[in-house]
Amino acid sequence: DAKTTQPPSMDCAEGRAANLPCNHSTISGNEYVYWYRQIHSQGPQYIIHGLKNNETNEMASLIITEDRKSSTLILPHATLRDTAVYYCIVRARLGKLTFGQGTILTVHP
Amino acid sequence: SQTIHQWPATLVQPVGSPLSLECTVEGTSNPNLYWYRQAAGRGLQLLFYSVGIGQISSEVPQNLSASRPQDRQFILSSKKLLLSDSGFYLCAWATGTGFEQYFGPGTRLTVT
Repeated sequence: DAKTTQPPSMDCAEGRAANLPCNHSTISGNEYVYWYRQIHSQGPQYIIHGLKNNETNEMASLIITEDRKSSTLILPHATLRDTAVYYCIVRARLGKLTFGQGTILTVHP
Repeated sequence: SQTIHQWPATLVQPVGSPLSLECTVEGTSNPNLYWYRQAAGRGLQLLFYSVGIGQISSEVPQNLSASRPQDRQFILSSKKLLLSDSGFYLCAWATGTGFEQYFGPGTRLTVT
């Protein structure tokens, strides 16, 4: 599975958009981009995934660059409950999830 | 709807004692099942996964073993715990063709 690079931490004001970047320059053509988050002392929660088109669901939007070497997870209106560690993972469709260190997102009042 | 259970929620065990953590899934059939461990301040490490009853794949050689005696039951065991076995143990399930994995609430194990 391709390796991903994320900033170790980010801050965001409540009500503003949180934009979390992820680099995955060695991604293969059959690998998807997944995002999970882990709120303190809980199990990870699936957020969204995509292959090459931008995706949106009730939780977030995923923007993947045309060359697929990077992506951005967007939380459109961050709340205090969005404070968590966000993991960007790249894997083939039936491959294993490999969690890195992720980005600690802190949403401030 | 599907639900995943893990117990116990917390556990304190002495070094050298045995371990048995249980995970059960409701509301789905023939799920893929996974055991992960998260050491303090670190990312998740995949320990075992199973695509069916009696089928276990180990990702990391270690002091632990896993078994799947029933379709929706996954057990993590150890005969003798080490201090390094302390951590947050998470069970997860996925459909055979699905993209998402769904995680349980976890068991926090402290080996003293």
